[in-house]
Amino acid sequence: NAGVTQTPKFRILKIGQSMTLQCTQDMNHNYMYWYRQDPGMGLKLIYYSVGAGITDKGEVPNGYNVSRSTTEDFPLRLELAAPSQTSVYFCASSSDGYGYTFGSGTRLTVV
Amino acid sequence: GQSLEQPSEVTAVEGAIVQINCTYQTSGFYGLSWYQQHDGGAPTFLSYNGLDGLEETGRFSSFLSRSDSYGYLLLQELQMKDSASYFCAVRSDNTNAGKSTFGDGTTLTVKP
Repeated sequence: NAGVTQTPKFRILKIGQSMTLQCTQDMNHNYMYWYRQDPGMGLKLIYYSVGAGITDKGEVPNGYNVSRSTTEDFPLRLELAAPSQTSVYFCASSSDGYGYTFGSGTRLTVV
Repeated sequence: GQSLEQPSEVTAVEGAIVQINCTYQTSGFYGLSWYQQHDGGAPTFLSYNGLDGLEETGRFSSFLSRSDSYGYLLLQELQMKDSASYFCAVRSDNTNAGKSTFGDGTTLTVKP
């Protein structure tokens, strides 16, 4: 049982480049989330989804986009990368919105 | 807005008991969760309190007082592997998504 899988684990981007962070879960969870975690800080919600075809903004959505075409996949798109987007990105899923299962994270550096 | 306060660091010795507090100010409240995160790792879910009182899971317990906007995580019989960051998170809305706001975390160091 893989749980929540994120790829890539590490990435270095140049300013202005774009990329997609992949997230897939095999637990048939309806609810999925993207958080970012800056050093020494808590997690900030970027986007979330309550099911296929339904997404909504979280606390810090600027500079990001998401899509949810299937229950399993919830990719996060970064357009025109900026140094402020250097962070660790965690994808999570939940069956009931109470306890989350997190992926292992993507460590992104924008230079 | 949403605000959660936790101590930034706590140190204790192996075998001891430690309590990590969390106070919150949120526009809504539908439960308090706790997560553990080892350095460089993913957060893992520890416990959830939706109602006042104590929830016990093995060596870990979590307490909630909604009237005081306060909760804590209690770790007993501390082990070296308990050295990690601990985050409280408040579910502040009752939509299906159950979005949670996280505190900045408490770094627990367990010494021999």
